[in-house]
Amino acid sequence: DTGVSQNPRHKITKRGQNVTFRCDPISEHNRLYWYRQTLGQGPEFLTYFQNEAQLEKSRLLSDRFSAERPKGSFSTLEIQRTEQGDSAMYLCASSLGPVGQGMNTEAFFGQGTRLTVV
Amino acid sequence: EDKVVQSPLSLVVHEGDTVTLNCSYEVTNFRSLLWYKQEKKAPTFLFMLTSSGIEKKSGRLSSILDKKELFSILNITATQTGDSAIYLCAGHNTDKLIFGTGTRLQVFP
Repeated sequence: DTGVSQNPRHKITKRGQNVTFRCDPISEHNRLYWYRQTLGQGPEFLTYFQNEAQLEKSRLLSDRFSAERPKGSFSTLEIQRTEQGDSAMYLCASSLGPVGQGMNTEAFFGQGTRLTVV
Repeated sequence: EDKVVQSPLSLVVHEGDTVTLNCSYEVTNFRSLLWYKQEKKAPTFLFMLTSSGIEKKSGRLSSILDKKELFSILNITATQTGDSAIYLCAGHNTDKLIFGTGTRLQVFP
């Protein structure tokens, strides 16, 4: 499978615990995005990477959230001291370059990690 | 602030009907508009539009972009129950996709 891969698919955690999600983008895609989606809403932007550089972070990304892409390939998103409000689907997407700038620059999404904080 | 607005929020039709989904956008440094289909899990890519007036077509689905009026439409002809899903529209600036809240389409037999 050469699509975007996310692990785990589901995560249930107790409030206050730390969680880490992983995203493996499509090979050779240098842009990687993290989004969060809650019920009835469209995906909300969290952050994105161009290769290993994190170029933008949303105001939604509080200091409890951190994302890395150390070698410009896979990325991790960590949430520390989880709160019930963090319960959501966390989506990762990748693209070959800036979306819309040239051919084959569509953004493709992984299956997501559904986080439930109890 | 960048925003994408989709209408209607919800649509209920019978198989065989034709539907039109609307998307208007206000996105600084606009580069492209994308449509996705979401069925319980992750969004599945449908179309990417970068130029005005050029229709993109895939089977019974088609889409077009108007960069002057800042909107796009997604048409689905001869709807089937398998078309039931949330359809998401997103505008891309130089950095990221900005999504609307989606249109929930329900197709009944």
